[in-house]
Amino acid sequence: EIVLTQSPGTLSLSPGQRATLSCRASQSVSSNYLAWYQQKRGQAPRLLIYGASTRATGIPDRFSGSGSGTDFTLTISRLEPEDFAVYYCQHYDRSLYSFGQGTNLEIK
Amino acid sequence: QVQLQQWGAGLLKPSETLSLTCAVNGGSFSNYYWTWIRQPPGKGLEWIGEINDSGNTNYSPSLKSRVTISMDKSKNQFSLKLTSVTAADTAVYYCARGSYGVDYGFDSWGQGTLVTVSS
Repeated sequence: EIVLTQSPGTLSLSPGQRATLSCRASQSVSSNYLAWYQQKRGQAPRLLIYGASTRATGIPDRFSGSGSGTDFTLTISRLEPEDFAVYYCQHYDRSLYSFGQGTNLEIK
Repeated sequence: QVQLQQWGAGLLKPSETLSLTCAVNGGSFSNYYWTWIRQPPGKGLEWIGEINDSGNTNYSPSLKSRVTISMDKSKNQFSLKLTSVTAADTAVYYCARGSYGVDYGFDSWGQGTLVTVSS
């Protein structure tokens, strides 16, 4: 089973700053099946990125994904107030799905 | 624009069976994986299992012995049953749509149902 480890656990930044979130897999994975989600308090998660780098429908272009092998990154180029939330990475491999433990992006 | 609406009992006693249903409104039932995911209070997301439109199921190994996911295509609904619940099963349960089109991501989600297991 592939384990996804996200870092940092908490990231404190100000609006306008750049955010870089990391997701590391316990073994090399196909970047085709790496996704990122945003979850605000009391809401269901929302798909941001799939295939490691493709933005989902309606996602602003300040969100970008990159990476391959074991290391993947979600970047938010300029933080807007509505971007402060918890972010999860997720992977699919051989009929199993796994999620990272999440990164809490909070206002500094 | 597909919408997922879910419902079911929110308070269970230990050893009872959790039962939730999710209705798929405004979209096709075909060519997707219909999925259940849960989130214990203050914790991360855990995939429970899925069913495709052919009725083929796939479950998390850690829950497989207690989980059944079924569907009623005539009603565009799918359901989750989890037997012998304990306090560890207390969580918000989400239904979601998995799609090949987004590389096995989940592009639509239900509103979530908090299920509490307590004696």
